[in-house]
Amino acid sequence: EAQVTQNPRYLITVTGKKLTVTCSQNMNHEYMSWYRQDPGLGLRQIYYSMNVEVTDKGDVPEGYKVSRKEKRNFPLILESPSPNQTSLYFCASSLLVGGVEQYFGPGTRLTVT
Amino acid sequence: QQQVKQSPQSLIVQKGGISIINCAYENTAFDYFPWYQQFPGKGPALLIAIRPDVSEKKEGRFTISFNKSAKQFSLHIMDSQPGDSATYFCAASMETSGSRLTFGEGTQLTVNP
Repeated sequence: EAQVTQNPRYLITVTGKKLTVTCSQNMNHEYMSWYRQDPGLGLRQIYYSMNVEVTDKGDVPEGYKVSRKEKRNFPLILESPSPNQTSLYFCASSLLVGGVEQYFGPGTRLTVT
Repeated sequence: QQQVKQSPQSLIVQKGGISIINCAYENTAFDYFPWYQQFPGKGPALLIAIRPDVSEKKEGRFTISFNKSAKQFSLHIMDSQPGDSATYFCAASMETSGSRLTFGEGTQLTVNP
């Protein structure tokens, strides 16, 4: 089954404790992206990657890091989480062309206290 | 900088009624306009999409109307059903940016039985 998986689905952590949210896709997609979803703000892009070792900032990259060492994986790293990073996070993937469907993971609900 | 503005933020419709969600964009280079549907606890999924060379696209009960001169597009859900209750996001992208999507703020639709 073609899918994007994220882990963990729920995470409660404390300020400053480094964490990683994993994302993996099995569709051989070149393009992968991380979004955060906040009420009234929609989906805002954090980082994206157009292929292995190629990453770039989205609209809200501050406080986040990513890496793309393998085509299927695109982890999101919060090295020193803060309460304003409490949000719902989605990973997505697609082919590297315009006008195609992006496939989203199930989401990770992060709470930083 | 929100390049795609979506309204209303929430919408309540009776079963059998018509749901209308509107989006406006600023960047005339956008050339692909998808709508994504998100059910609670799930990631967004592509519902329907349109390119600016047509003014309307219909798939079942879902129709996109596109007004290039006004830089606006809208989603119409005919004969709305309780199962349509979800959050809807409009989005836009341009061929030169590949797969990057800019999303609207989202509309939470509730269809009462």
